[in-house]
Amino acid sequence: ETGVTQSPTHLIKTRGQQVTLRCSSQSGHNTVSWYQQALGQGPQFIFQYYREEENGRGNFPPRFSGLQFPNYSSELNVNALELDDSALYLCASRARQGGNTEAFFGQGTRLTVV
Amino acid sequence: DQQVKQNSPSLSVQEGRISILNCDYTNSMFDYFLWYKKYPAEGPTFLISISSIKDKNEDGRFTVFLNKSAKHLSLHIVPSQPGDSAVYFCAALNNYGQNFVFGPGTRLSVLP
Repeated sequence: ETGVTQSPTHLIKTRGQQVTLRCSSQSGHNTVSWYQQALGQGPQFIFQYYREEENGRGNFPPRFSGLQFPNYSSELNVNALELDDSALYLCASRARQGGNTEAFFGQGTRLTVV
Repeated sequence: DQQVKQNSPSLSVQEGRISILNCDYTNSMFDYFLWYKKYPAEGPTFLISISSIKDKNEDGRFTVFLNKSAKHLSLHIVPSQPGDSAVYFCAALNNYGQNFVFGPGTRLSVLP
Protein backbone atom coordinates (compact mmCIF):
# COMPACT_ATOMS: atom_id res chain seq x y z
CA GLU A 1 0.00 0.00 0.00
CA THR A 2 1.40 3.40 -1.02
CA GLY A 3 -0.38 5.68 1.44
CA VAL A 4 -1.96 7.61 -1.44
CA THR A 5 -5.75 7.45 -1.32
CA GLN A 6 -8.26 8.63 -3.89
CA SER A 7 -11.99 9.15 -3.72
CA PRO A 8 -14.40 8.17 -5.02
CA THR A 9 -13.26 4.88 -6.56
CA HIS A 10 -15.97 4.91 -9.22
CA LEU A 11 -18.14 7.67 -10.63
CA ILE A 12 -20.71 8.02 -13.41
CA LYS A 13 -21.46 11.46 -14.81
CA THR A 14 -23.47 12.85 -17.69
CA ARG A 15 -21.90 14.73 -20.58
CA GLY A 16 -21.67 18.46 -19.79
CA GLN A 17 -21.55 17.99 -16.02
CA GLN A 18 -18.67 18.87 -13.74
CA VAL A 19 -16.71 16.47 -11.51
CA THR A 20 -14.27 16.76 -8.60
CA LEU A 21 -11.87 13.98 -7.75
CA ARG A 22 -9.87 13.93 -4.52
CA CYS A 23 -6.47 12.66 -3.46
CA SER A 24 -4.62 12.41 -0.17
CA SER A 25 -0.90 12.16 -0.75
CA GLN A 26 1.59 10.06 1.15
CA SER A 27 2.71 11.61 4.42
CA GLY A 28 5.60 14.00 3.92
CA HIS A 29 5.12 14.26 0.15
CA ASN A 30 4.67 17.82 -1.06
CA THR A 31 4.33 17.14 -4.78
CA VAL A 32 1.17 15.74 -6.34
CA SER A 33 0.54 14.88 -9.97
CA TRP A 34 -2.56 13.75 -11.79
CA TYR A 35 -2.63 11.33 -14.69
CA GLN A 36 -5.37 10.14 -17.03
CA GLN A 37 -5.27 6.53 -18.16
CA ALA A 38 -7.57 5.65 -21.03
CA LEU A 39 -8.33 2.03 -21.79
CA GLY A 40 -5.36 0.21 -23.30
CA GLN A 41 -3.00 3.14 -22.85
CA GLY A 42 -0.40 4.25 -20.37
CA PRO A 43 -1.07 7.08 -17.93
CA GLN A 44 -0.92 10.57 -19.48
CA PHE A 45 0.31 13.51 -17.40
CA ILE A 46 -2.35 16.15 -16.68
CA PHE A 47 -0.61 18.50 -14.25
CA GLN A 48 1.51 18.71 -11.11
CA TYR A 49 1.20 20.74 -7.94
CA TYR A 50 4.03 21.69 -5.63
CA ARG A 51 3.33 23.61 -2.44
CA GLU A 52 -0.14 24.60 -3.64
CA GLU A 53 1.06 25.96 -7.00
CA GLU A 54 0.66 24.32 -10.39
CA ASN A 55 4.19 23.90 -11.72
CA GLY A 56 3.73 21.71 -14.76
CA ARG A 57 0.99 20.81 -17.18
CA GLY A 58 0.51 18.25 -19.92
CA ASN A 59 -1.53 18.55 -23.08
CA PHE A 60 -4.95 18.93 -21.48
CA PRO A 61 -7.47 21.77 -22.00
CA PRO A 62 -8.19 24.42 -19.34
CA ARG A 63 -11.42 22.68 -18.31
CA PHE A 64 -9.09 20.34 -16.41
CA SER A 65 -8.06 22.26 -13.31
CA GLY A 66 -6.77 21.45 -9.88
CA LEU A 67 -5.98 22.54 -6.37
CA GLN A 68 -3.51 21.54 -3.72
CA PHE A 69 -4.22 22.28 -0.07
CA PRO A 70 -1.82 23.17 2.77
CA ASN A 71 -1.89 19.54 3.94
CA TYR A 72 -0.75 18.59 0.38
CA SER A 73 -4.02 16.84 -0.47
CA SER A 74 -5.30 17.66 -3.93
CA GLU A 75 -8.35 17.92 -6.16
CA LEU A 76 -8.82 17.46 -9.87
CA ASN A 77 -11.78 19.30 -11.38
CA VAL A 78 -13.12 18.66 -14.84
CA ASN A 79 -15.77 20.96 -16.31
CA ALA A 80 -18.08 20.37 -19.28
CA LEU A 81 -17.45 16.64 -19.29
CA GLU A 82 -17.10 14.91 -22.64
CA LEU A 83 -17.52 11.23 -23.46
CA ASP A 84 -13.75 10.96 -24.11
CA ASP A 85 -13.07 11.99 -20.51
CA SER A 86 -14.09 8.48 -19.48
CA ALA A 87 -10.90 7.01 -18.02
CA LEU A 88 -9.06 6.01 -14.88
CA TYR A 89 -7.71 9.08 -13.11
CA LEU A 90 -4.59 8.51 -11.06
CA CYS A 91 -3.05 10.67 -8.42
CA ALA A 92 0.65 10.30 -7.65
CA SER A 93 2.75 11.82 -4.90
CA ARG A 94 6.47 12.35 -4.70
CA ALA A 95 8.73 13.34 -1.84
CA ARG A 96 9.95 16.37 -3.74
CA GLN A 97 9.52 17.99 -7.12
CA GLY A 98 12.26 17.42 -9.63
CA GLY A 99 15.14 15.01 -9.21
CA ASN A 100 15.20 11.27 -9.67
CA THR A 101 12.55 10.03 -7.31
CA GLU A 102 9.77 7.58 -7.89
CA ALA A 103 6.10 8.47 -7.66
CA PHE A 104 3.60 6.57 -5.57
CA PHE A 105 0.17 6.12 -7.05
CA GLY A 106 -3.28 5.85 -5.56
CA GLN A 107 -5.72 3.18 -6.69
CA GLY A 108 -7.41 5.59 -9.08
CA THR A 109 -10.91 6.89 -9.74
CA ARG A 110 -12.76 5.27 -12.61
CA LEU A 111 -14.84 7.99 -14.30
CA THR A 112 -17.52 7.05 -16.79
CA VAL A 113 -19.19 9.82 -18.79
CA VAL A 114 -22.49 8.89 -20.44
CA ASP B 1 4.23 11.24 -30.92
CA GLN B 2 4.92 8.39 -28.53
CA GLN B 3 8.16 9.08 -26.70
CA VAL B 4 8.11 5.81 -24.75
CA LYS B 5 7.20 2.66 -26.63
CA GLN B 6 6.45 -0.85 -25.53
CA ASN B 7 5.95 -2.75 -28.74
CA SER B 8 4.69 -5.98 -27.22
CA PRO B 9 1.12 -5.56 -25.95
CA SER B 10 1.27 -8.97 -24.30
CA LEU B 11 3.69 -11.71 -23.27
CA SER B 12 3.10 -15.23 -21.94
CA VAL B 13 5.78 -17.09 -20.00
CA GLN B 14 5.89 -20.41 -18.17
CA GLU B 15 6.31 -20.29 -14.41
CA GLY B 16 9.98 -20.52 -13.40
CA ARG B 17 11.26 -19.19 -16.73
CA ILE B 18 12.60 -15.73 -17.51
CA SER B 19 10.28 -12.88 -18.52
CA ILE B 20 11.83 -10.12 -20.62
CA LEU B 21 9.85 -6.94 -21.15
CA ASN B 22 11.19 -4.34 -23.55
CA CYS B 23 10.90 -0.59 -23.79
CA ASP B 24 12.26 1.95 -26.29
CA TYR B 25 12.37 5.71 -25.99
CA THR B 26 13.03 8.53 -28.41
CA ASN B 27 13.96 11.49 -26.22
CA SER B 28 17.71 11.47 -25.53
CA MET B 29 17.17 13.92 -22.65
CA PHE B 30 15.45 11.28 -20.53
CA ASP B 31 17.84 10.25 -17.78
CA TYR B 32 15.80 8.28 -15.27
CA PHE B 33 13.65 5.28 -16.02
CA LEU B 34 11.21 3.27 -13.99
CA TRP B 35 9.08 0.18 -14.25
CA TYR B 36 5.63 0.00 -12.72
CA LYS B 37 3.37 -3.00 -12.31
CA LYS B 38 -0.40 -2.68 -12.37
CA TYR B 39 -3.04 -5.15 -11.27
CA PRO B 40 -6.70 -4.62 -12.24
CA ALA B 41 -8.56 -2.18 -9.97
CA GLU B 42 -5.30 -0.95 -8.44
CA GLY B 43 -2.96 1.94 -9.17
CA PRO B 44 0.50 1.35 -10.64
CA THR B 45 3.06 0.05 -8.14
CA PHE B 46 6.69 1.09 -8.39
CA LEU B 47 8.93 -1.86 -9.17
CA ILE B 48 12.46 -0.76 -10.02
CA SER B 49 14.29 2.20 -11.50
CA ILE B 50 17.56 3.01 -13.20
CA SER B 51 19.52 6.19 -13.70
CA SER B 52 21.20 6.87 -17.02
CA ILE B 53 24.63 6.73 -15.37
CA LYS B 54 24.11 2.99 -14.87
CA ASP B 55 23.50 0.18 -17.31
CA LYS B 56 22.06 -2.31 -14.85
CA ASN B 57 20.10 -2.30 -11.62
CA GLU B 58 19.06 -5.41 -9.75
CA ASP B 59 16.50 -5.96 -6.99
CA GLY B 60 15.79 -9.54 -6.11
CA ARG B 61 14.15 -11.29 -9.04
CA PHE B 62 13.96 -8.05 -11.02
CA THR B 63 16.76 -6.59 -13.12
CA VAL B 64 16.56 -3.58 -15.40
CA PHE B 65 19.08 -3.07 -18.19
CA LEU B 66 19.65 0.23 -19.95
CA ASN B 67 21.31 0.67 -23.33
CA LYS B 68 21.59 4.42 -23.80
CA SER B 69 23.07 4.30 -27.28
CA ALA B 70 20.13 2.21 -28.48
CA LYS B 71 17.62 4.12 -26.31
CA HIS B 72 16.40 0.79 -25.05
CA LEU B 73 15.69 -0.71 -21.67
CA SER B 74 14.46 -4.07 -20.58
CA LEU B 75 13.08 -5.64 -17.44
CA HIS B 76 14.06 -9.21 -16.62
CA ILE B 77 12.09 -11.25 -14.11
CA VAL B 78 13.76 -14.47 -13.00
CA PRO B 79 12.20 -16.80 -12.06
CA SER B 80 8.73 -15.73 -13.16
CA GLN B 81 5.86 -16.49 -10.79
CA PRO B 82 2.09 -16.53 -11.41
CA GLY B 83 1.74 -13.53 -9.08
CA ASP B 84 3.83 -11.53 -11.54
CA SER B 85 0.91 -11.59 -13.99
CA ALA B 86 0.01 -7.93 -14.46
CA VAL B 87 0.42 -5.02 -16.84
CA TYR B 88 3.94 -3.57 -16.78
CA PHE B 89 4.54 0.05 -17.67
CA CYS B 90 7.88 1.54 -18.61
CA ALA B 91 8.20 5.22 -17.66
CA ALA B 92 10.79 7.93 -18.21
CA LEU B 93 11.25 11.08 -16.20
CA ASN B 94 11.08 14.18 -18.37
CA ASN B 95 13.89 16.69 -18.78
CA TYR B 96 12.97 18.75 -15.75
CA GLY B 97 12.38 15.78 -13.47
CA GLN B 98 8.82 16.94 -13.35
CA ASN B 99 6.55 14.26 -14.70
CA PHE B 100 6.70 10.73 -16.00
CA VAL B 101 6.12 9.74 -19.61
CA PHE B 102 4.62 6.28 -19.73
CA GLY B 103 4.62 3.61 -22.38
CA PRO B 104 1.36 1.87 -23.30
CA GLY B 105 2.13 -1.18 -21.19
CA THR B 106 2.77 -4.90 -21.71
CA ARG B 107 0.42 -7.49 -20.22
CA LEU B 108 2.46 -10.33 -18.75
CA SER B 109 0.82 -13.68 -18.12
CA VAL B 110 2.82 -16.25 -16.16
CA LEU B 111 1.35 -19.68 -16.67
CA PRO B 112 1.57 -22.29 -13.90
